[in-house]
Amino acid sequence: ETGVTQTPRHLVMGMTNKKSLKCEQHLGHNAMYWYKQSAKKPLELMFVYNFKEQTENNSVPSRFSPECPNSSHLFLHLHTLQPEDSALYLCASSDDPTETNYGYTFGSGTRLTVV
Amino acid sequence: GDSVTQMEGPVTLSEEAFLTINCTYTATGYPSLFWYVQYPGEGLQLLLKATKADDKGSNKGFEATYRKETTSFHLEKGSVQVSDSAVYFCATDKLIFGTGTRLQVFP
Repeated sequence: ETGVTQTPRHLVMGMTNKKSLKCEQHLGHNAMYWYKQSAKKPLELMFVYNFKEQTENNSVPSRFSPECPNSSHLFLHLHTLQPEDSALYLCASSDDPTETNYGYTFGSGTRLTVV
Repeated sequence: GDSVTQMEGPVTLSEEAFLTINCTYTATGYPSLFWYVQYPGEGLQLLLKATKADDKGSNKGFEATYRKETTSFHLEKGSVQVSDSAVYFCATDKLIFGTGTRLQVFP
């Protein structure tokens, strides 16, 4: 257990479904992140939240909708996804997105398959 | 923009062999540099880091030296074990990751 917990670990959903991914950290970190990990591609940063405020959105399609109700929880709401959205979605946290000399703490990820 | 380039894998070694995984970066200024490791079915774990030129990060027998002149941060280990089989990611502190290099160690 790394301190960042993601649920579910695996998710299979149809293109018309709506589902949510959940991330939780109790490390006292102020920044949380969503990354997409696809085979043979660099990790893609999707969203950054700092003190519950979204500070970065890397041109992510609107079918992905993040929510950060407090600094310990982060959600990724999914709707009308495409098969190419199938990937491992990783959540991470850090003390401060502008000063990351301590690196990030990652969760184990949610393996998403869109059918 | 900033970028990180890693050698393509997989890297296949026998147990106790010497390991090098190359990493070079392009960045504005002098970022902190990191190596992360991802074991099968898991998220990424911070392996080691270096925050300035000529710093050497080390952990679990792995080492990497921040080389400003060659903009590199190559990962090395003198004697790999089967349990080191994983995917290794080089990254900067600006949220830029490489594609990852898979290491497979056979007994």
